[in-house]
Amino acid sequence: QKEVEQNSGPLSVPEGAIASLNCTYSDRVSQSFFWYRQYSGKSPELIMSIYSNGDKEDGRFTAQLNKASQYVSLLIRDSQPSDSATYLCAVNHSFQKLVFGTGTRLLVSP
Amino acid sequence: ETGVTQTPRHLVMGMTNKKSLKCEQHLGHNAMYWYKQSAKKPLELMFVYSLEERVENNSVPSRFSPECPNSSHLFLHLHTLQPEDSALYLCASSLGASGQETQYFGPGTRLLVL
Repeated sequence: QKEVEQNSGPLSVPEGAIASLNCTYSDRVSQSFFWYRQYSGKSPELIMSIYSNGDKEDGRFTAQLNKASQYVSLLIRDSQPSDSATYLCAVNHSFQKLVFGTGTRLLVSP
Repeated sequence: ETGVTQTPRHLVMGMTNKKSLKCEQHLGHNAMYWYKQSAKKPLELMFVYSLEERVENNSVPSRFSPECPNSSHLFLHLHTLQPEDSALYLCASSLGASGQETQYFGPGTRLLVL
């Protein structure tokens, strides 16, 4: 089982719709969770971090964490073509390292 | 651009060459990292330094040799690489090395080994 799993996509949504990106992880004691956005040919940049169960909102982005189900998601409201990128889920592993998923490619069509 | 810079941005080298990648962070962080990103694979952690001491080495081949002379600078020395080492090499830094802090990435060095 992969330590951090994401659907590679592409996930295609029309402009203005809600994009839902999902991530599951295997280490039950993980405490820190991050979503990074990576445009083609660029380096990852942090979108959101979340540490507690529930929802955390920042502008058009909402991160949701469910530790019991070992599941973290990122919702993007009012999706824009500029949101088209690969979204990386990263989870703090019990050996104190950050483990990344392979990323989900999001395509927002005008 | 972030507070983490990397040079060179692109590098082409033969299998017998020796080259070095450089990373510098201007964020006052205490931890620095080297990652490898290959197509269709997740980011692979190579090395972690905390306060200039190496704290993790993920079984990386010895043809990759890191150096951290101070908390702001990190190098990756390359020698006798293989074509499968072609990838994007990313440097990152964070306030601490517990894994709970946000990591900030540099722009990366795209390496091609011929």
